[in-house]
Amino acid sequence: QKEVEQDPGPLSVPEGAIVSLNCTYSNSAFQYFMWYRQYSRKGPELLMYTYSSGNKEDGRFTAQVDKSSKYISLFIRDSQPSDSATYLCAMSASYSSASKIIFGSGTRLSIRP
Amino acid sequence: GAVVSQHPSWVICKSGTSVKIECRSLDFQATTMFWYRQFPKQSLMLMATSNEGSKATYEQGVEKDKFLINHASLTLSTLTVTSAHPEDSSFYICSVRDSRLGEQYFGPGTRLTVT
Repeated sequence: QKEVEQDPGPLSVPEGAIVSLNCTYSNSAFQYFMWYRQYSRKGPELLMYTYSSGNKEDGRFTAQVDKSSKYISLFIRDSQPSDSATYLCAMSASYSSASKIIFGSGTRLSIRP
Repeated sequence: GAVVSQHPSWVICKSGTSVKIECRSLDFQATTMFWYRQFPKQSLMLMATSNEGSKATYEQGVEKDKFLINHASLTLSTLTVTSAHPEDSSFYICSVRDSRLGEQYFGPGTRLTVT
């Protein structure tokens, strides 16, 4: 079993829809959670970073963490064609550079105009 | 957030030659930098952790003599792919982590094509 599981998609939704992206994990030591967006042939861009259970909102993006269920989500409201990209979840046990960050395999998202 | 730059963004080289990729941390001093490799439609694979002033730490299965890493200053790490072969063609991305907050930032990546 992988430490982090993420549905690879592809996920296709119409413009304006609410998108839900999810990851599950098995290591209860993970305390820091990140979501990245990666466009084709570009480096990943950090979208959201959180270290507590609950919701964190930033514009159209909401990150949700449920440590009891070992489940994290990223919601995108009012999705736009420019949101079409691969979304990677990532997590680590510590904020220290010595603590490895484990990435999900990424979900390919396509927003249809 | 941190800004990380990489140079070059794309390089084509002949089989058997060496290629150097530079990674710079522009926003803060990074004692640690990370090098990843990504094949098309696959996730990131950590190759090595670059430590300023000391030897890099390589992940299992990564040849340290083939992928030379030098972290000579707090803002610069280099990855040299020695005696490149077509199977080394990939997308190489460096990353820095803000040790105060834990956020990790990536560079724009370098696309290496070995012919």
